[in-house]
Amino acid sequence: RKEVEQDPGPFNVPEGATVAFNCTYSNSASQSFFWYRQDCRKEPKLLMSVYSSGNEDGRFTAQLNRASQYISLLIRDSKLSDSATYLCVVGSTGTASKLTFGTGTRLQVTL
Amino acid sequence: EAGVAQSPRYKIIEKRQSVAFWCNPISGHATLYWYQQILGQGPKLLIQFQNNGVVDDSQLPKDRFSAERLKGVDSTLKIQPAKLEDSAVYLCASSPQETQYFGPGTRLLVL
Repeated sequence: RKEVEQDPGPFNVPEGATVAFNCTYSNSASQSFFWYRQDCRKEPKLLMSVYSSGNEDGRFTAQLNRASQYISLLIRDSKLSDSATYLCVVGSTGTASKLTFGTGTRLQVTL
Repeated sequence: EAGVAQSPRYKIIEKRQSVAFWCNPISGHATLYWYQQILGQGPKLLIQFQNNGVVDDSQLPKDRFSAERLKGVDSTLKIQPAKLEDSAVYLCASSPQETQYFGPGTRLLVL
C-alpha cells in the first residue's frame, strides 16, 4: 500500500463548478498535512496546511479526518487558473521533516 | 526575497556518464532537501540535510548517488554513473520550519 494515495484524475470540470479531491495516508503517526499545487513543468508550491479543525482560504477548504486517515480539498467556483496538479502531502513530525507526497490529482478547468 | 536557486535547468547525458546538480537554498534556511520527481509521480525524497549534517538518506541509491552540503549552505547532488531510469526532475527545497520551498528543478534526460 502506498503511504499517500490519491486519485490521479484527470478531473475535467467547467468553470464555476465545485470539485473535491480526496487523499488517504497509511501512517497513523503522521503529524502534519498539506496540499501543494504544481503547475505543468513547474515546482510544487504550498497551497495550504490542513488541520483537524478544517481550514478555509478563499475558495479552498481543506479537511483532515485523523480517525479515517483521510484528507480532502474542496475548490468552489473553479477558475481556469485552478488547472494544475494538486499534491497531497503528509509529514512525519510537526516541524520541517520528512514529507511524503502523493502522486497528485490533475485538475483541468474548462470554459 | 530570493527563492531557491538550482542549476543547470536542463541536462542531457548518455547512460554511464556522470552529472552534478547545484542548489542554493533561501538564506537562513537550515534544512535542505533533494527530491526526485519522475513523470506522472509525486516528488520522492532522496536526502535531507540539517545545516551540513545528513538527517535522512534512506532513499538515496548510494551506489550511484551522492550529495553534500559543505558549510551548511549550498548543496550538490551527483549521479555517477547515470542510468536510463534516472531521467527525472531533481528538485531542491529548503525550509526554516514547517513549510518547504522548492526551486525550479533540474530536468535530466539520460539517453
